[in-house]
Amino acid sequence: AQKVTQTQTSISVMEKTTVTMDCVYETQDSSYFLFWYKQTASGEIVFLIRQDSYKKENATVGHYSLNFQKPKSSIGLIITATQIEDSAVYFCAMRERNNNNRIFFGDGTQLVVKP
Amino acid sequence: DTTVKQNPRYKLARVGKPVNLICSQTMNHDTMYWYQKKPNQAPKLLLFYYDKILNREADTFEKFQSSRPNNSFCSLYIGSAGLEYSAMYLCASSTGRGDEQYFGPGTRLTVL
Repeated sequence: AQKVTQTQTSISVMEKTTVTMDCVYETQDSSYFLFWYKQTASGEIVFLIRQDSYKKENATVGHYSLNFQKPKSSIGLIITATQIEDSAVYFCAMRERNNNNRIFFGDGTQLVVKP
Repeated sequence: DTTVKQNPRYKLARVGKPVNLICSQTMNHDTMYWYQKKPNQAPKLLLFYYDKILNREADTFEKFQSSRPNNSFCSLYIGSAGLEYSAMYLCASSTGRGDEQYFGPGTRLTVL
């Protein structure tokens, strides 16, 4: 069964607006870590932001923030004031501490930011 | 320095021939991973080393081999390449404590 699901295949927004990308995950582990990565046009995958399962506060880094809803097993990525260069594929991932630190990726969401 | 390096960046191989890809990192990370990435798909974990212990995924167990002669270096070996192996191969590293992964730029493998 898919452990990490990103239901949005593609999203298109206008520049300078806010976008939210959804991600739900499935785990039996009491301790886990959630990540968002960005794949640029060159194919390189870059780490953006993380949320540890035991932390209640939503993580924020620059214009990226997370909407962590633990009861719903949901970790949304919010990008505020989007820029053209935010256009990329965004991957959600989960790492389970008690599963040999295995990491599971979602299928990705393509974000297109239009001028 | 959070750089993960991969060589070569592009590799052309013939069907049935072996392929060896190389990855290095200088962050003293104890875990190194190899992923296969095809367009419009999630990165597929092939195997990973935690320190000197190799963990291979069940569905790719017999297709890929790896070695890690020291903490900084890890290779991915395909004994006999098939057309279906054409993909981007990504190396990543992280600490074993649940930290994020740092990815290399990838090796684009084309099998003809």
